[in-house]
Amino acid sequence: QVQLVESGGGVVKPGGSLRLSCVASGFTSNDYYMTWMRQAPGKGLEWVSYISGGSTYTNYADSVKGRFSISRDKSKNSLYLQMNSLRVDDTAVYFCTRRYYDLLTGHSRAYFDYWGQGVLVTVSS
Amino acid sequence: EIVMTQSPATLPLSPGERATLSCRASQSVDNNYLAWYQQKPGQAPRLLIYDAFRRATGIPDRFSGSGSGTDFTLSISRLEPDDFAVYYCQQYGSFPYNFGPGTKVEI
Repeated sequence: QVQLVESGGGVVKPGGSLRLSCVASGFTSNDYYMTWMRQAPGKGLEWVSYISGGSTYTNYADSVKGRFSISRDKSKNSLYLQMNSLRVDDTAVYFCTRRYYDLLTGHSRAYFDYWGQGVLVTVSS
Repeated sequence: EIVMTQSPATLPLSPGERATLSCRASQSVDNNYLAWYQQKPGQAPRLLIYDAFRRATGIPDRFSGSGSGTDFTLSISRLEPDDFAVYYCQQYGSFPYNFGPGTKVEI
């Protein structure tokens, strides 16, 4: 059974740092593109960053480029988001997501078939 | 960058009624790569539909997706109490894979 469990959220002052973690179970996360999404209070969904299977590629939304860093630990089947220089407008629930990929055929599509429950990050003075 | 819009923003309906939600893209979505998600308060989004019309695993057949190009529709044939939620569309034909702002189906 596929599960994604995030942790590491909390309250931080502007300019501070946090590291989010996402532990995957029921599949080998290193085989998949994994994406961090976020949702500001009462707002819609925004992708933040992704990392490709095997960690070959990473990408970041313009709003977080240069401040956030995505990584993974194969041995722990885990995904991370290091968030530095946090701003008030980074306040959101952050979701760890798995992008669809068929291991048998190699087909990949950029829709998100599994989501974690989300973790709240609040940036406030 | 493709911008997604959804209408209406809010859709007031009653259980048993049919819901029709619209999603429009600012330009044609390659291969009709369009997904729909359902989100209930305090929960993560759940994948309902992908490739514009294919139901995800475990999604009841009262949910159906249609459309192509720039105009897509999510239909819920007979609303059940559990269906009252916010629905988002997302295009994944070209990067960035943007979401629409959502439609809230409310009682």
